Amino acid sequence: QSALTQPASVSGSPGQSITISCTGTSSDVGGYNYVSWYQQHPGKAPKLMIYDVSNRPSGVSNRFSGSKSGNTASLTISGLQAEDEADYYCSSYTSSFLVFGGGTKLTVL
Amino acid sequence: QVQLVQSGAEVKKPGASVKVSCKASGYTFTSYDINWVRQATGQGLEWMGWMNPNSGNTGYAQKFQGRVTMTRNTSISTAYMELSSLRSEDTAVYYCARGPLQLMDYWGQGTLVTVSS
Repeated sequence: QSALTQPASVSGSPGQSITISCTGTSSDVGGYNYVSWYQQHPGKAPKLMIYDVSNRPSGVSNRFSGSKSGNTASLTISGLQAEDEADYYCSSYTSSFLVFGGGTKLTVL
Repeated sequence: QVQLVQSGAEVKKPGASVKVSCKASGYTFTSYDINWVRQATGQGLEWMGWMNPNSGNTGYAQKFQGRVTMTRNTSISTAYMELSSLRSEDTAVYYCARGPLQLMDYWGQGTLVTVSS
């Protein structure tokens, strides 16, 4: 299974909005509504931020939102805050397996 | 509260095997799958496979087929991941995570496995 494609890095200033893309194929992202997004701070375990394309787990800020169009999913973070600086990974279900994106480093300027 | 507590760091020689444990608490162990994900230093996340603690059924990523075994002991709410024929490229932090594989909501703290001669 090939990894999903994410930009290596994105950046934004506090208060701004940013979007991270996650591109797969019709066999993964495009074929199922099972895209998740994880946030990972250095030295920490990943944290689930979005599941099933656009659902937020309890306790996750509504500044985080997810969407999908065709084979590309997106994570949008609005009202950027310093604590949002982290690595972000998308993942997609694909016929009994899971594939991750390569990860995107978000820098808050 | 839900917790997954993993065993401590390991150092292994090439060709050896390693077995990492993941002890669950705060929920019914047999009600949620356990996934294993690894991350080499400075690299991304890599899904290794899943196990249903109730049935013992497993599913492994193609890359690890034949080298990984996921088991459990329901009496102590603990899942295990054993990786054999270790090579230097297996040096990584190994995480267990609860959930169906498309929705891993709780993660262990990670276990560093170092493969070095």
